[in-house]
Amino acid sequence: GQQVMQIPQYQHVQEGEDFTTYCNSSTTLSNIQWYKQRPGGHPVFLIQLVKSGEVKKQKRLTFQFGEAKKNSSLHITATQTTDVGTYFCAGRNNNDMRFGAGTRLTVKP
Amino acid sequence: NAGVTQTPKFQVLKTGQSMTLQCAQDMNHEYMSWYRQDPGMGLRLIHYSVGAGITDQGEVPNGYNVSRSTTEDFPLRLLSAAPSQTSVYFCASGSGFSGNTIYFGEGSWLTVV
Repeated sequence: GQQVMQIPQYQHVQEGEDFTTYCNSSTTLSNIQWYKQRPGGHPVFLIQLVKSGEVKKQKRLTFQFGEAKKNSSLHITATQTTDVGTYFCAGRNNNDMRFGAGTRLTVKP
Repeated sequence: NAGVTQTPKFQVLKTGQSMTLQCAQDMNHEYMSWYRQDPGMGLRLIHYSVGAGITDQGEVPNGYNVSRSTTEDFPLRLLSAAPSQTSVYFCASGSGFSGNTIYFGEGSWLTVV
């Protein structure tokens, strides 16, 4: 079945440094979504990518969807302490949506 | 607007007991689903529904039952609880199944002893 791998599992950065998490699917995806979960909280939708090669930006966050629609990345520029949390990708193939294991980001002030 | 409401928030069960986790949404969403979240495992899909009267299995359905008699409600039943079912459970809903925004409930922390 479809598998979604996400790396790294953990990332610790100094405030102001950049951060990137990568997501790879074993199958071609119809779309990919990104979520953020704060410690003790629930996942909150960030964005959805649908088109091959799509790039979307939300302030300091840049999301990319690969040309083959099998990989994606989330890049945060100049991290802030408010960026702390776990970032999940979720890849959809028809009626099957699978989450990556997440990348837990900690930011040192 | 309540969004997605899950109850209970915390529950301790003994092995072999059964229980139902409740999930309700007030956004008239067709799509509803249940996930479990375990450390280092991300979110794994248990069951989902694309409309009233329609349910389907996800990645880890064994030991769980669901039903969708109304658009609003999607309860998850644990038939005979096992320690391996200790987890955080999230209910989610979304409009349609074309990949629109998925809204998660606040989670239900379940411990099976």
